[in-house]
Amino acid sequence: EPEVTQTPSHQVTQMGQEVILRCVPISNHLYFYWYRQILGQKVEFLVSFYNNEISEKSEIFDDQFSVERPDGSNFTLKIRSTKLEDSAMYFCASRSGTSVDEQYFGPGTRLTVT
Amino acid sequence: GNSVTQMEGPVTLSEEAFLTINCTYTATGYPSLFWYVQYPGEGLQLLLKATKADDKGSNKGFEATYRKETTSFHLEKGSVQVSDSAVYFCALSDNNAGNMLTFGGGTRLMVKP
Repeated sequence: EPEVTQTPSHQVTQMGQEVILRCVPISNHLYFYWYRQILGQKVEFLVSFYNNEISEKSEIFDDQFSVERPDGSNFTLKIRSTKLEDSAMYFCASRSGTSVDEQYFGPGTRLTVT
Repeated sequence: GNSVTQMEGPVTLSEEAFLTINCTYTATGYPSLFWYVQYPGEGLQLLLKATKADDKGSNKGFEATYRKETTSFHLEKGSVQVSDSAVYFCALSDNNAGNMLTFGGGTRLMVKP
């Protein structure tokens, strides 16, 4: 069964460093998402991406964040200058495109900023 | 804006007990409703969904009915197993262009043998 994959599974970085989290969505899907879950808190929407551009973003997704689909398979989330409060589990999801399709989630990348 | 409220956990049950996890929502329009499950160390998996009022979603013995009059989508299972121990998230999608999901806070279920 097709699945969303994410790398790395765990990333440790120092405050102020740039990180890139990688996702490979399901191949025929058209909509891509990033969510994050700070330990013990809700899963929060960050950004959605369709047709090579951002379709929606939350207040969390400020200028420090960017997303890219550099080729036909990868979908990346970049944090330019990490802060301690960016420590969280980051989930990628994809959706095929009909109006009520479910989103398929990857296993997540745990980001630890020290 | 949209919001989802679900009962706080942890919920601790003995095997074969009846499970209810309450979920209520606030949304404009006609959202789709979902229950996702997160097993230890894993990502989110869709458990069931309902796309319109009075729809019942069901999977693996779990059920939830979309109640528009009470804005609720409570999760139920008649007889839980130890393997059901996980965190359960209620979520909604407002079916706009982006279909972003709004999640509740999650409810941890622990089932004891």
